[in-house]
Amino acid sequence: EVQLVESGGGLVKPGGSLRLSCAASGFTFSNAWMSWVRQAPGKGLEWVGRIKSKTDGGTTDYAAPVKGRFTISRDDSKNTLYLQMNSLKTEDTAVYYCTTALRQDIWVVPAAMDYWGQGTLVTVSS
Amino acid sequence: QSVLTQPPSASGTPGQRVTISCSGSSSNIGSNTVNWYQQLPGTAPKLLIYSNNQRPSGVPDRFSGSKSGTSASLAISGLQSEDEADYYCAAWDDSLNVYVVFGGGTKLTVL
Repeated sequence: EVQLVESGGGLVKPGGSLRLSCAASGFTFSNAWMSWVRQAPGKGLEWVGRIKSKTDGGTTDYAAPVKGRFTISRDDSKNTLYLQMNSLKTEDTAVYYCTTALRQDIWVVPAAMDYWGQGTLVTVSS
Repeated sequence: QSVLTQPPSASGTPGQRVTISCSGSSSNIGSNTVNWYQQLPGTAPKLLIYSNNQRPSGVPDRFSGSKSGTSASLAISGLQSEDEADYYCAAWDDSLNVYVVFGGGTKLTVL
């Protein structure tokens, strides 16, 4: 059974930093492209960024609002995904979800995320 | 303001068929496939439809998707009370540095 368990959320002051983790199990993590998606309280979904598998280059892409402040990384030996968040702003307050990209054979289906964690709440407030 | 446009709300009675629209542009829906997510109250989103009209294993065939030009639709037939949820469309966007875009979400109420 696929499991994604996020941790590391909490209350942080504007300008502060926080690192989220996502522990994965039940699938071959090293082959997976992983994404972070966030949801502000009472609002819709917003894609944060993704990291490809190392065999596909291991590169990262970020949404404009977080580019330069957030960094996605992975440790395939620990089956863990990370989101390092720096220079946090009040508008970063949200539940952050870890997700896997759907694969069809060798292809990754664009914008299709087939497994989601339960989310971890990040609150940025003074 | 979301890149993809959805109606904020929709409703129907049990057994009815309802549709939810999703409007985009040539850089997203017009050139890429559309996915739909269902988010039940207090839970994480769930992939409902991918590649315009494909259902992941376990999703009932009451749910169907379609795409035409720069718009897409999600149809739910035989509406059930447990379908009451928020529904989001999503697509890849080919614009520079945009990547994945979501609709603002549609809250479906089963009357």
